[in-house]
Amino acid sequence: DVKVTQSSRYLVKRTGEKVFLECVQDMDHENMFWYRQDPGLGLRLIYFSYDVKMKEKGDIPEGYSVSREKKERFSLILESASTNQTSMYLCASSPGGTNQPQHFGDGTRLSIL
Amino acid sequence: DQQVKQNSPSLSVQEGRISILNCDYTNSMFDYFLWYKKYPAEGPTFLISISSIKDKNEDGRFTVFLNKSAKHLSLHIVPSQPGDSAVYFCAASSPILQGAQKLVFGQGTRLTINP
Repeated sequence: DVKVTQSSRYLVKRTGEKVFLECVQDMDHENMFWYRQDPGLGLRLIYFSYDVKMKEKGDIPEGYSVSREKKERFSLILESASTNQTSMYLCASSPGGTNQPQHFGDGTRLSIL
Repeated sequence: DQQVKQNSPSLSVQEGRISILNCDYTNSMFDYFLWYKKYPAEGPTFLISISSIKDKNEDGRFTVFLNKSAKHLSLHIVPSQPGDSAVYFCAASSPILQGAQKLVFGQGTRLTINP
């Protein structure tokens, strides 16, 4: 079974703080993704990575950056947290190739006060 | 611009009956479609998928139908069980680069199975 592990289930931070969300997958997948889930909006793609040190912007990258130094680990960084970044953050991974489902972690519920 | 839409925020079905969840999309470039199931406080779990070259895919109690001309897909669950109560997301995929695919998600439909 694919295992995608997100380091924190719940996180509370203050406005202006730099926040790190960590994700690790154990299936040697090439692709990794960060989404946020908000009520009524479904899941929206923030950033993805298709290889170590490679990253591409998704649909809503503003205010975020990412890092992928090792194949199994993909970090999401909120450079200066703001209250509108309060959300559920979901990490996913998938193998390379076509028609491959993405597998998700359990999410980090982040509150910015 | 919502490229994938689930127009029913919620659906309530009697145990043992058929549940039908619907999804519409606008982008003809989508070539792979998926359904995910999400319980509270858990991440989405992959349920079933269908390639654009097919019109039906079945896996146990779950069947996905794709109508490309109508840009519509549906998920049928027969028979529905209490454990099927969850939020269901449809997603559509298009290739981006380097073998990666981008998923675009609908807003989700909350399915409740009543005993």
